[in-house]
Amino acid sequence: EIVLTQSPGTLSLSPGERATLSCRASQSISSRYLAWYQQEPGQAPRLLLYGASSRATGIPDRFSGSGSGTDFTLTINRLEPEDFAVYYCQQYATSPATFGQGTKVEIK
Amino acid sequence: QITLKESGPTLVKPTQTLTLTCTFSGFSLTTPGLGVGWIRQPPGKALEWLALIYWDDDKRYSPSLMSRLTIFKDASRSQVVLIMTNMDPVDTAAYYCARAFHRNDPYFDYWGPGSLVTVSS
Repeated sequence: EIVLTQSPGTLSLSPGERATLSCRASQSISSRYLAWYQQEPGQAPRLLLYGASSRATGIPDRFSGSGSGTDFTLTINRLEPEDFAVYYCQQYATSPATFGQGTKVEIK
Repeated sequence: QITLKESGPTLVKPTQTLTLTCTFSGFSLTTPGLGVGWIRQPPGKALEWLALIYWDDDKRYSPSLMSRLTIFKDASRSQVVLIMTNMDPVDTAAYYCARAFHRNDPYFDYWGPGSLVTVSS
């Protein structure tokens, strides 16, 4: 089973700032098989990115993703109030698919 | 419009069996490639992938829970059912069903709102 480790656990930023979230895999995976989800309090997760860098339908372009092998990054440019949430990475290269433990982006 | 919705008991007793139903619309589980999966999230904790079933009845399970899980589908009723046996208080969680985009790329592109299940005597 591939373990995903996200860092930091919590990111305290102000609206308008840039957020950089990390997801590290315990073994190399193709960037094709890495997704990012956003979860607001009390809500279901929402798909942001798949294939490490492809935005899902309706996701604004301030969200971008990069990475390969074991290291992946989610970048949120110019944080909007609705972006303060928890973010999860997921690998689906192997079964079972696994999620990271999440990074909370909170208002500073 | 694609929607999914979970239904089932909100409270189960330890050792009981949990049956959750995912009813979806806007797509068909007879479409080649598609799947529906189950994910859970204990209060304040991370997401945990549980099981997934594809259009051709291919089934995948979390190895750590495989002995307790059964997933099956009724494509004609647009439903996927998850059964979890021998429930324990640590199984208290929000249970989500979600559509898997394709067997070659099984990320979850649409999610249900979730169903909170509490395990307590």
